[in-house]
Amino acid sequence: LAKTTQPISMDSYEGQEVNITCSHNNIATNDYITWYQQFPSQGPRFIIQGYKTKVTNEVASLFIPADRKSSTLSLPRVSLSDTAVYYCLVGDMDQAGTALIFGKGTTLSVSS
Amino acid sequence: DAGITQSPRHKVTETGTPVTLRCHQTENHRYMYWYRQDPGHGLRLIHYSYGVKDTDKGEVSDGYSVSRSKTEDFLLTLESATSSQTSVYFCAIRADPGTVNTEAFFGQGTRLTVV
Repeated sequence: LAKTTQPISMDSYEGQEVNITCSHNNIATNDYITWYQQFPSQGPRFIIQGYKTKVTNEVASLFIPADRKSSTLSLPRVSLSDTAVYYCLVGDMDQAGTALIFGKGTTLSVSS
Repeated sequence: DAGITQSPRHKVTETGTPVTLRCHQTENHRYMYWYRQDPGHGLRLIHYSYGVKDTDKGEVSDGYSVSRSKTEDFLLTLESATSSQTSVYFCAIRADPGTVNTEAFFGQGTRLTVV
């Protein structure tokens, strides 16, 4: 699995757009990029997944440049409830026996 | 929410005693995972399973064993609990590779305290 690097923490204010970047320099051809969100005392939950270019859903957008060595999770107009830990995972989700390695994630703190 | 249940939700045990945590799913998903979460360490994979009787080690498997005798249950056993195994344990499930939804779904967690 490709190793990922993301900031340990970020701070923001309500209403701002937040961009969290993840580096994955040794990403493989078949690897997907997946982001999870975790609130205190809960298990992580899936936010978004992509392979290249841009993916958008009702929660976030994921930007992946052509070389795929990094990706950016974009959260539009954050609110206090977006305070959570965000994890970037890179791996071949179609490969049997794939382990899901989460790492330490990025702790996002949103203030009013 | 995905049908995944962890039991017990809370447990206090003494050092040296065996402990078994259970993860039960009703989704018929092939993959099941056990993680532990500690302050400053994020989520660390202990063991995972890719089918009945098929398991593999994760990042922090020492002191833990697992068993999966049927699709719906994945058991995590601490043979002889130590204080360093005090943690919150999460179970996760994931559908077969190649299907549309390859996201993982997590249980509510089990808070284990070893005294």
